[in-house]
Amino acid sequence: QQQVKQSPQSLIVQKGGISIINCAYENTAFDYFPWYQQFPGKGPALLIAIRPDVSEKKEGRFTISFNKSAKQFSLHIMDSQPGDSATYFCAASLGGRRALTFGSGTRLQVQP
Amino acid sequence: SAVISQKPSRDICQRGTSLTIQCQVDSQVTMMFWYRQQPGQSLTLIATANQGSEATYESGFVIDKFPISRPNLTFSTLTVSNMSPEDSSIYLCSVEGSGSNTQYFGPGTRLTVL
Repeated sequence: QQQVKQSPQSLIVQKGGISIINCAYENTAFDYFPWYQQFPGKGPALLIAIRPDVSEKKEGRFTISFNKSAKQFSLHIMDSQPGDSATYFCAASLGGRRALTFGSGTRLQVQP
Repeated sequence: SAVISQKPSRDICQRGTSLTIQCQVDSQVTMMFWYRQQPGQSLTLIATANQGSEATYESGFVIDKFPISRPNLTFSTLTVSNMSPEDSSIYLCSVEGSGSNTQYFGPGTRLTVL
């Protein structure tokens, strides 16, 4: 049973545009929601993370929006750059269990 | 943050053989995790490895196929046993940062089984 659903599967954005990736979760016990960026041949790298008591978190060009009632969260990449071209994964974890449940991934391509 | 290294970075193996993947961390960590990432797919947790206790495996993964060792707080190994082409994947270890839920991933081991 997939507990974290991610969309879209792929995304093409022009340089300077806004990239938006969405995730929805089923387990209301999840209490930690990170986003990871993965380049080909590399391991995932943490971008930004949020907890359900906060509705939005911003770090540089990256923003997480969190809607607890809808059980959804999204990643916004402002002023997207070609260097942002990568695969992005949302994830969720239970506080006590710690292991991450990942979404299916979004392949982002930023065109110059 | 933690610096994680994995060996080997990649390997090509024959069906029926076994491969042991090493994961080394630059600091002591309590929890280590092993994930599998099949080609073009997401990451799936194989098991959680805590030092001093047996690894906890996720549904669909068994100890006979993926034995794990955790001899100390900076090192772990994952063995992929009796390999078949379906085991061709990237295998990643991760560790949890001290005092947080943040997980840091190693660079992965790309395994191809012929």
